[in-house]
Amino acid sequence: EAGVTQFPSHSVIEKGQTVTLRCDPISGHDNLYWYRRVMGKEIKFLLHFVKESKQDESGMPNNRFLAERTGGTYSTLKVQPAELEDSGVYFCASSKSGRGREYFGPGTRLTVL
Amino acid sequence: KNQVEQSPQSLIILEGKNCTLQCNYTVSPFSNLRWYKQDTGRGPVSLTIMTFSENTKSNGRYTATLDADTKQSSLHITASQLSDSASYICVVGPNAGGTSYGKLTFGQGTILTVHP
Repeated sequence: EAGVTQFPSHSVIEKGQTVTLRCDPISGHDNLYWYRRVMGKEIKFLLHFVKESKQDESGMPNNRFLAERTGGTYSTLKVQPAELEDSGVYFCASSKSGRGREYFGPGTRLTVL
Repeated sequence: KNQVEQSPQSLIILEGKNCTLQCNYTVSPFSNLRWYKQDTGRGPVSLTIMTFSENTKSNGRYTATLDADTKQSSLHITASQLSDSASYICVVGPNAGGTSYGKLTFGQGTILTVHP
């Protein structure tokens, strides 16, 4: 069984540019989460999809962040326009409802210059 | 102040020795506590998941304990190996029975280094 995959692994962009991160969850997992770790801080929740619906987006920092999960499969997280404080590692995780364990992807390291 | 506090921030031990990592949490509502291992450049991997009614859970050389009254948990690693070098993160989940319906609250992690 393939794990959670994320693309790209690294992204370096300039302030004001747009970046789109992609997450492919484990097949059959209806829950998909986005988390972020900024330098020196703990990993923090961004949002939670159940299939294609946003269950909880209370962690999204502002309206420069847009997450989608069309068709309930892969998800994208777009940052537009990117700011310096958006730098960090963005993790995606997925799980099957009723089975508590989340599986994390390797993360995308975003650097905004 | 973070709702999940871990100590120590970092720890260095010799291969073969045991160690214990601590976690205090104030997250409410609470129903499950997890310990994750995160290797450099990788995502966190679950070691143990305990509901509020469980006191201890083991996974090989890893044993987690939970005191829901004092809101404290510990992770004990026995006979450490070089491959145990990683960040160990205490995570609290808000939903009952370990079902995955809500956001997780993470501690900052303890960086463990095992030397030969």
